[in-house]
Amino acid sequence: SQQGEEDPQALSIQEGENATMNCSYKTSINNLQWYRQNSGRGLVHLILIRSNEREKHSGRLRVTLDTSKKSSSLLITASRAADTASYFCATLISSGSARQLTFGSGTQLTVLP
Amino acid sequence: DVKVTQSSRYLVKRTGEKVFLECVQDMDHENMFWYRQDPGLGLRLIYFSYDVKMKEKGDIPEGYSVSREKKERFSLILESASTNQTSMYLCASSSPRRTGGRAFFGQGTRLTVV
Repeated sequence: SQQGEEDPQALSIQEGENATMNCSYKTSINNLQWYRQNSGRGLVHLILIRSNEREKHSGRLRVTLDTSKKSSSLLITASRAADTASYFCATLISSGSARQLTFGSGTQLTVLP
Repeated sequence: DVKVTQSSRYLVKRTGEKVFLECVQDMDHENMFWYRQDPGLGLRLIYFSYDVKMKEKGDIPEGYSVSREKKERFSLILESASTNQTSMYLCASSSPRRTGGRAFFGQGTRLTVV
């Protein structure tokens, strides 16, 4: 079963608006990461938030983490047409020496010019 | 920059063939992962490895095996390819010490089994 589940599955907004995507997960984590994927390409890492952090910023990105609710959100401010892509959350879980990175099903973001 | 290279961008194989997907990373990362990506299902973890010769099953290991004889190379093997293994396969690597768990991905191999 998927560790992370994104919500919504698809989001369509106008350029300049903010986009918010949510992620829920099931088990305790070391950190949570957000990735972006342009159509037909590999994933690119956007931002990482550790389990002891509550909020993190990087440029137009803002990530929050609520470990009590096992949820995270990604906010993209002042969106641009070039932000159109799929966005995935991923959770890193440690078990001994193993580090398992598990992804959710993603949110398809479309930013209309 | 970290480079993760997958041996093929596109691959077409016949049902029943043994298929090898190769992945090489050049940054001495301990962890390597194989995922498959299907529409509406996101990325699903097939296998991962945290050291040479070490492997762990992910969420959907059935029909697959892996090999990690050298640190930089992680191979995914489809023992007897079936049409339901038609998918995009993504390889990734990471290092807890060097990248904090951040993963670097290859460009993907789109496999079609006919």
